[in-house]
Amino acid sequence: DGGITQSPKYLFRKEGQNVTLSCEQNLNHDAMYWYRQDPGQGLRLIYYSQIVNDFQKGDIAEGYSVSREKKESFPLTVTSAQKNPTAFYLCASSITASSYEQYFGPGTRLTVT
Amino acid sequence: DAKTTQPNSMESNEEEPVHLPCNHSTISGTDYIHWYRQLPSQGPEYVIHGLTSNVNNRMASLAIAEDRKSSTLILHRATLRDAAVYYCILRDSTDKLIFGTGTRLQVFP
Repeated sequence: DGGITQSPKYLFRKEGQNVTLSCEQNLNHDAMYWYRQDPGQGLRLIYYSQIVNDFQKGDIAEGYSVSREKKESFPLTVTSAQKNPTAFYLCASSITASSYEQYFGPGTRLTVT
Repeated sequence: DAKTTQPNSMESNEEEPVHLPCNHSTISGTDYIHWYRQLPSQGPEYVIHGLTSNVNNRMASLAIAEDRKSSTLILHRATLRDAAVYYCILRDSTDKLIFGTGTRLQVFP
């Protein structure tokens, strides 16, 4: 089955620790995205990558970092510099950055205490 | 960024049509109108999109006002599985999706 995998579904960390969220896709898509969703809110774009070895900041990139060393993988690191890291994190991909449809993964719910 | 305005919530009975409105009065000529929906604790899924003409697909229909300042997503026969948050989104010239807070649709049996 083709799709996007995010793991783990739930993640708990202590304040001050960096944590890396996994996102893998086997759809052969060029573009990948990371969004953050807070309770009762819409999604906000953190980072996106149009192609391997390239990525751009979204609207709320501060305190986050990404890498895109492989086409199928786009991990997101939430650093200790992120002031409010507790949120639902969603990864998405699309055939190209200009494709009309983005495919979303199931999300990772991160809780930092 | 152009913004969208949607009602916070709507209700429907099963088997009835649902019309979900969206206002986007600051839309630019090149912005596409996209609709996604998000079931509880899941990632959003694409529903439909359009630019100027009305659009139909197997999931829904999209009616776009002539001046493009508003649009309506139409679910022809609501089912319990259609209960979700529906996002009306403008896709800007940089191809980014700008999500609002969406409309929570409740469907009653």
